[in-house]
Amino acid sequence: QKEVEQDPGPLSVPEGAIVSLNCTYSNSAFQYFMWYRQYSRKGPELLMYTYSSGNKEDGRFTAQVDKSSKYISLFIRDSQPSDSATYLCAMKRGTRGTLTFGKGTMLLVSP
Amino acid sequence: DAGVIQSPRHEVTEMGQEVTLRCKPISGHNSLFWYRQTMMRGLELLIYFNNNVPIDDSGMPEDRFSAKMPNASFSTLKIQPSEPRDSAVYFCASSLASGGATDTQYFGPGTRLTVL
Repeated sequence: QKEVEQDPGPLSVPEGAIVSLNCTYSNSAFQYFMWYRQYSRKGPELLMYTYSSGNKEDGRFTAQVDKSSKYISLFIRDSQPSDSATYLCAMKRGTRGTLTFGKGTMLLVSP
Repeated sequence: DAGVIQSPRHEVTEMGQEVTLRCKPISGHNSLFWYRQTMMRGLELLIYFNNNVPIDDSGMPEDRFSAKMPNASFSTLKIQPSEPRDSAVYFCASSLASGGATDTQYFGPGTRLTVL
């Protein structure tokens, strides 16, 4: 079993839809959780991070962590065609730890 | 700042040839990471440096891969000899390594390597 599991998609939604992206993980030592966005033929860029369990909101994006279930989510409200990208979850054990990435979910938002 | 700079952006080579990928991290960052991304395996950490010293190279697939960081502003990843299964996108990333909660890694645009 891989440490981090993520459905590769693609996930296709119409503009304005609410999108839910998810990852599960197996290592309970992970404490820091991130979401990276990667546009086609570009490098990943950090979108959001959360520490331990709970929610964090930033504009149209909400990151949620449920450590008891080893499950993290990213919600996108009022999705836009410009949100079309691959979203990778990432996590690490400590502040100086290295990141373990999911394989990424491709999101396609049609106008 | 120009961000993380990688060269070349594309590389096509034949099996058995030596390949050298180059990276210039963001000025002032003291951690540098090399990743490989494929459809099958996703984004995998190959090696990372802190203050120019290799800290963890457990992700380097085999002896054909080597990485160096001779100074704070330059790193190379070398594959010798290259094989078709090395075909992937190779990313370099750097971070400030301040010990803060996020310690954000900034990625370069990647080098797309094709080994024929």
